[in-house]
Amino acid sequence: GAVVSQHPSWVICKSGTSVKIECRSLDFQATTMFWYRQFPKQSLMLMATSNEGSKATYEQGVEKDKFLINHASLTLSTLTVTSAHPEDSSFYICSARDRQGRSVDYTFGSGTRLTVV
Amino acid sequence: LAKTTQPISMDSYEGQEVNITCSHNNIATNDYITWYQQFPSQGPRFIIQGYKTKVTNEVASLFIPADRKSSTLSLPRVSLSDTAVYYCLVGSKAAGNKLTFGGGTRVLVKP
Repeated sequence: GAVVSQHPSWVICKSGTSVKIECRSLDFQATTMFWYRQFPKQSLMLMATSNEGSKATYEQGVEKDKFLINHASLTLSTLTVTSAHPEDSSFYICSARDRQGRSVDYTFGSGTRLTVV
Repeated sequence: LAKTTQPISMDSYEGQEVNITCSHNNIATNDYITWYQQFPSQGPRFIIQGYKTKVTNEVASLFIPADRKSSTLSLPRVSLSDTAVYYCLVGSKAAGNKLTFGGGTRVLVKP
């Protein structure tokens, strides 16, 4: 079945630094990937839609200059949290769907736990 | 996108059947109903998807009435490892369609 690999699984960074999270579709091509953020005991909140070869579409209230998304190929999307602050500490999850529709629905990565100290 | 409403939490015991009902009164004609399972510190995992009537796979059944305004996920004979949060989502299969999550149902399976 479809597999999405997310890396790293956890990261600790100092306040003010930037962190890059990678999301790869391993056995399928995805023209669209999605990035979510999840705080403890809460549901997933969609942050942005990553489109291959074009600019990402951000949800209302999500700062595009802070959360930089790059989708340079059909199998890779990256989320960079710039100038991270403690309030950015969260669980970040990506998802993708086979553009040929071979999978039933969206496949999610295993998530990245970001802790900003 | 159709909004979904689920119970916040449910408790059950090992070996019992767990039924979680989701309301989606504004479901559109092209929308499918999909359920995901999420364990702590993991990404959601697909469980089952359906459009109408009943769908069954190796882990669950999905019951959808004729008006499609609700759906029920049925987990037969749960075990402790089924303790998780279960999300009901509705949306079309159109390319790039966004998945928006509701609150989910936290299921606790007790020994």
